[in-house]
Parts: sequence; structure tokens; C-alpha cells
Amino acid sequence: QKEVEQDPGPLSVPEGAIVSLNCTYSNSAFQYFMWYRQYSRKGPELLMYTYSSGNKEDGRFTAQVDKSSKYISLFIRDSQPSDSATYLCAMSAPLRGATNKLIFGTGTLLAVQP
Amino acid sequence: DSGVTQTPKHLITATGQRVTLRCSPRSGDLSVYWYQQSLDQGLQFLIQYYNGEERAKGNILERFSAQQFPDLHSELNLSSLELGDSALYFCASSAPLGPGTGELFFGEGSRLTVL
Repeated sequence: QKEVEQDPGPLSVPEGAIVSLNCTYSNSAFQYFMWYRQYSRKGPELLMYTYSSGNKEDGRFTAQVDKSSKYISLFIRDSQPSDSATYLCAMSAPLRGATNKLIFGTGTLLAVQP
Repeated sequence: DSGVTQTPKHLITATGQRVTLRCSPRSGDLSVYWYQQSLDQGLQFLIQYYNGEERAKGNILERFSAQQFPDLHSELNLSSLELGDSALYFCASSAPLGPGTGELFFGEGSRLTVL
């Protein structure tokens, strides 16, 4: 079983829709939760970062973490064609030493149709 | 532009060969991470170096090795290449902060094709 599970999609939605992306995980030591966005032929870039449980909002994006269920979500409101990309969840546990080793989900490919 | 530079962008080689991928981190970043991305496995952590020393290791094959030089650039060496090694190899760097900040800055990757 993978430490982090993510539905690979693809997910196709019309412009303006609300998008929900999810990941589940098995390692209870994870405390840092992130969403990265990866455009085609580019490297991933950090979109949202959350520590422990709770919600975080940034513009049209909301990240939620439910540690009791080992479940994290990313919501995109008023989705735009420019949001079309692969979204990867990533997690890490506190480790000794200067390391930010991240465990990634496989990514969900999102297409927002104009 | 993340500030992380990877070369080469594309590489085609044959089975059994050896290649070297190079990464220059962002200015001031001491940590370099290597990840392998394939369609079925996603982004897999290979290895991390911090200021020249190996700091964390993932599922890196024995045929693969890496190092970080005094100028902080890093190289990932892949030897005895197999068809299954075809993938995107990403380098990422992070600022010299404690664990959990999560901000890894990724390069654009090196696409390796083994024929």
C-alpha cells in the first residue's frame, strides 16, 4: 500500500465549476500537507501549505486537512482554463536534521473546459 | 522560473549505458533533492544532500548515485541503464530552514529515454 493515495483522474470540468481534489494517507506521522501544481513539461510548484489539521484559504483555493480521517482536500472555486494542470498532494513528517523530504501522491490531471 | 537549473533537458541513450544529470540549486539554498517521476509511480523521492552531505535517502537503486559539490551543485549518476529507468528526473532545492516548511523549488526536469 502506498503511503499517499490520489485519484489520477483525468478530471474534466466546465469553466466556473468548483473542483474538489483529494488524497488519503496512511502515515499518522505526517504533519505538513501541501498541494503542488504541475503544468505540462514543467516542474511542480507549491500552491498551498497547511500544518496539521484545519483549513487554509488563498484566493480561489482552499486546502483542508482532516488528520483523524487521514484525508486532505483542495477546492478550486470558479475554475479557469488556466487551472488546467496536474495537482499533486505532498506530505512530510517532522524529521531530525535539515530535511524537507516530501512524499507525493501520483497527481490528478485536471482539465477546465472553456 | 524557480531558479533551479537542470541539464540536460532531454537525453536519449541505450540500455547498459551511464548518464549524469546535473542540477544547480537556487542561490543560497543548501539542500538538493532528487526525484524520479514516471506515469505509474508519480514523484518518487530518491535522495537529498545538504551542504555536501547525504541527509536523506529514498528508494534509490544501487545503480544510481549522487553527490553535491562544494559549489552546491549536484549530479545524479545513473548506470547500467534499463528500459524502466526512462522517466523525468527532477531536482529541487530548499532554503536552509527546519523540517516541514514544505517549500521545495523544482527545476524543469531532465527527461531520460532509454532505448
